[in-house]
Amino acid sequence: AQSVTQPDIHITVSEGASLELRCNYSYGATPYLFWYVQSPGQGLQLLLKYFSGDTLVQGIKGFEAEFKRSQSSFNLRKPSVHWSDAAEYFCAVGDYKLSFGAGTTVTVRA
Amino acid sequence: DTAVSQTPKYLVTQMGNDKSIKCEQNLGHDTMYWYKQDSKKFLKIMFSYNNKELIINETVPNRFSPKSPDKAHLNLHINSLELGDSAVYFCASDTQGAGETQYFGPGTRLLVL
Repeated sequence: AQSVTQPDIHITVSEGASLELRCNYSYGATPYLFWYVQSPGQGLQLLLKYFSGDTLVQGIKGFEAEFKRSQSSFNLRKPSVHWSDAAEYFCAVGDYKLSFGAGTTVTVRA
Repeated sequence: DTAVSQTPKYLVTQMGNDKSIKCEQNLGHDTMYWYKQDSKKFLKIMFSYNNKELIINETVPNRFSPKSPDKAHLNLHINSLELGDSAVYFCASDTQGAGETQYFGPGTRLLVL
């Protein structure tokens, strides 16, 4: 069975500081991994995804994620956070059917 | 141009009523999905259609019935609404294939009183 764990429910970060969101997955084969962002009152938007190749994946809005097979992790990072990055972030795993983590709420303080 | 649209955006109704949510995508995708996001923001897939054919049907009460009149539309009808049905329902679509990017609609916020 496939599943995703996002250990951090809520993260508060100062504007301009770096951000790292953790994601651990369980999957029977080589996983398709995704990070989606949900701004308040909006649908989900894909930030980046990984299946094969370079384990460091670049996405939109300055985000990147690193796949580590040995740790079953796919952590999301951003070097310098902007106030507009305040949102809910979801990690997901799957091929045709996605399983989402419970999400991490990111608050950005001035 | 809106890629994936849902109507209505908000839906407030009484227990026991029947309601429908509509979804349309203009991306030319052939696979569409319904997700339910509960009050804790947990997102779970309910159904998926590919070219009008049901391909994913999770453990969802029979009161929920999806209908896909064509590959650009996927509607969700809910009979005998219950308090626990209150949630945000998202429609999504993608092209057929493993690991494709799913494009989400803005959501329909359903409140059952």
